[in-house]
Amino acid sequence: GQNIDQPTEMTATEGAIVQINCTYQTSGFNGLFWYQQHAGEAPTFLSYNVLDGLEEKGRFSSFLSRSKGYSYLLLKELQMKDSASYLCAVMERDYQLIWGAGTKLIIKP
Amino acid sequence: IAGITQAPTSQILAAGRRMTLRCTQDMRHNAMYWYRQDLGLGLRLIHYSNTAGTTGKGEVPDGYSVSRANTDDFPLTLASAVPSQTSVYFCASSDSLSSGANVLTFGAGSRLTVL
Repeated sequence: GQNIDQPTEMTATEGAIVQINCTYQTSGFNGLFWYQQHAGEAPTFLSYNVLDGLEEKGRFSSFLSRSKGYSYLLLKELQMKDSASYLCAVMERDYQLIWGAGTKLIIKP
Repeated sequence: IAGITQAPTSQILAAGRRMTLRCTQDMRHNAMYWYRQDLGLGLRLIHYSNTAGTTGKGEVPDGYSVSRANTDDFPLTLASAVPSQTSVYFCASSDSLSSGANVLTFGAGSRLTVL
C-alpha cells in the first residue's frame, strides 16, 4: 500500500543542524517534494528530487535514495523562523501526490 | 500579488447546511486542487481539475462537489455538511498535473467547523 513516514516532532537548537527523514512506499515514483508550513499558514515549496543524490539550496538541502525509498531534508544554521512543519510528499506514477503527516520542528534558543 | 485567494477564511456551520468554499487564482495555472488537512494526517486530496471544464475525484471525494467553469475559479461545495467535515481546506494550483516538477501553490486555507 501507499505509506509515507516522517517523525511527528523534532527539537533543535538555534544555529545547529537538523535532519528530517522521510521514508516512503508508493505505487510508482515520479519525484519527492518537501514543503514548509508555518502554523496557521499554507504549505510552501522547498525542494524537489527525482534523481538520487543531494540537492542544495542555500541553508536547505534535500537527499533522495530511490532504491531505499528514503529522503531527508537537512537544515543548516537553524534560525527561529525555521520553526514550522515540514511535509514530505511523493508523486506517484499517475502524478498524484501522497503526503506524509508532517514533522513539526521546534527551534530553541 | 499573484497567487490564490480563498474565502471564507473561517466559518462555523450547522450540520446539514450547504456551504461553498471559494478559490480563485490569477496565475493562469491549468491544474487546481482541493485538499483537507486534519491533525495527525497528511494532506488528502478531495477533488482536482486538470484544466477548465474537467474535474476528477481524489482520495476523499464523498460529500463534496466541485466545478471548473473557467481557468481561474474552482469552488468546493459541501451539499449537506457533517461534523466529520470539520477541517482546514486548502486550494492549490500548478502549471500541469503531469509535469515533472509539479510544484503546488497553495491558498491561505479555509478553516471550517461543522457543529
